[in-house]
Amino acid sequence: ETGVTQTPRHLVMGMTNKKSLKCEQHLGHNAMYWYKQSAKKPLELMFVYSLEERVENNSVPSRFSPECPNSSHLFLHLHTLQPEDSALYLCASSQDLSPGGFGNTIYFGEGSWLTVV
Amino acid sequence: AQKVTQAQTEISVVEKEDVTLDCVYETRDTTYYLFWYKQPPSGELVFLIRRNSFDEQNEISGRYSWNFQKSTSSFNFTITASQVVDSAVYFCALITGFQKLVFGTGTRLLVSP
Repeated sequence: ETGVTQTPRHLVMGMTNKKSLKCEQHLGHNAMYWYKQSAKKPLELMFVYSLEERVENNSVPSRFSPECPNSSHLFLHLHTLQPEDSALYLCASSQDLSPGGFGNTIYFGEGSWLTVV
Repeated sequence: AQKVTQAQTEISVVEKEDVTLDCVYETRDTTYYLFWYKQPPSGELVFLIRRNSFDEQNEISGRYSWNFQKSTSSFNFTITASQVVDSAVYFCALITGFQKLVFGTGTRLLVSP
């Protein structure tokens, strides 16, 4: 059983819909991430949160809006997406982002398969 | 800039064969971490190993082994006596200076009975 759970596992939405992806980690970690995996492209980091504060936003279009209400939960709100946004969205967590500290293992969830029609 | 190259796009083997997945990385930092992840068809990225740049000892875990060579900037992964359950996409990744994984493009391994 994974320590990072994502819902829904599969989502089909129209370009005018508003939907949200949910992620929950049960590992006691302080940092959470959203990654995007498209066909034929390397995995891309989208957002990083540390102790509920956003610390990285990798030039992601505003139609993707993250929310981190506490260190265990992370959401990705989706609004007016395009067909090219269809991808696997992976949530992940790690111990922390302490200053000067890096290299902690990042654990991933099973992902949410998103199809935009 | 940091970069990870997995030149093998897809490898097909028959069960019980040994197989090596190549990973070459680029970074100017002296402190960094290397990772391997396995992605089965379900989509989850399963963590396999983490290695820091100061530890060049090879590691073995069951049928899995890793060969880290700083001289060639390589971190290769070998599966001994492969099994059908090993079929997946395998990713090599690098972290330097910030908690941001830089992934290779992955190698798809297909193990047939």
